[in-house]
Amino acid sequence: AQSVTQPDIHITVSEGASLELRCNYSYGATPYLFWYVQSPGQGLQLLLKYFSGDTLVQGIKGFEAEFKRSQSSFNLRKPSVHWSDAAEYFCAVGAYNTDKLIFGTGTRLQVFP
Amino acid sequence: DVKVTQSSRYLVKRTGEKVFLECVQDMDHENMFWYRQDPGLGLRLIYFSYDVKMKEKGDIPEGYSVSREKKERFSLILESASTNQTSMYLCASSSNKLAADTQYFGPGTRLTVL
Repeated sequence: AQSVTQPDIHITVSEGASLELRCNYSYGATPYLFWYVQSPGQGLQLLLKYFSGDTLVQGIKGFEAEFKRSQSSFNLRKPSVHWSDAAEYFCAVGAYNTDKLIFGTGTRLQVFP
Repeated sequence: DVKVTQSSRYLVKRTGEKVFLECVQDMDHENMFWYRQDPGLGLRLIYFSYDVKMKEKGDIPEGYSVSREKKERFSLILESASTNQTSMYLCASSSNKLAADTQYFGPGTRLTVL
């Protein structure tokens, strides 16, 4: 069965520190991979996506993610976190010839000054 | 920019009431989706639609129905609201009929059923 796992429910970092949010997927086909961010009280906004090609993907707000097929992972990174990055982050997987995205359960990021 | 709007940000209803949640997108997208979001459970798909008057059940359709009479509008209906339907409801749209592609989300409706 297709699934997405975000092992960390809650992460706390200091402002200026580096960040890595983990995402592992289980999918038989070649996946399309997404990271979304949800600020408090808001809908989800797309940060970045991977369909094919270069496995290191750049997104908005200084985020990047790396697709590692051998590890079935698509971890999100940022070299220096800002207080405004505090939000919930969702990883999702889809594919060609399917009609649904499958979302992980989310990781809540807290940023301390 | 794609814009997805939802009719209400906050809604309070009583048990047994019929509830309508409306969603409108302005980018001529083919596909529209309704999710509910609960803490620790992430997003769960309720229903989706890939064309006018077409609908498909998602993972948790029980207690819900949908309507898509126009391409830009997708309504979620709770026929008889219950307290376990208290949740955040998110609408989304996407353009690609061949793949599970980028979805664009509305701001959400937080529904409380008393």
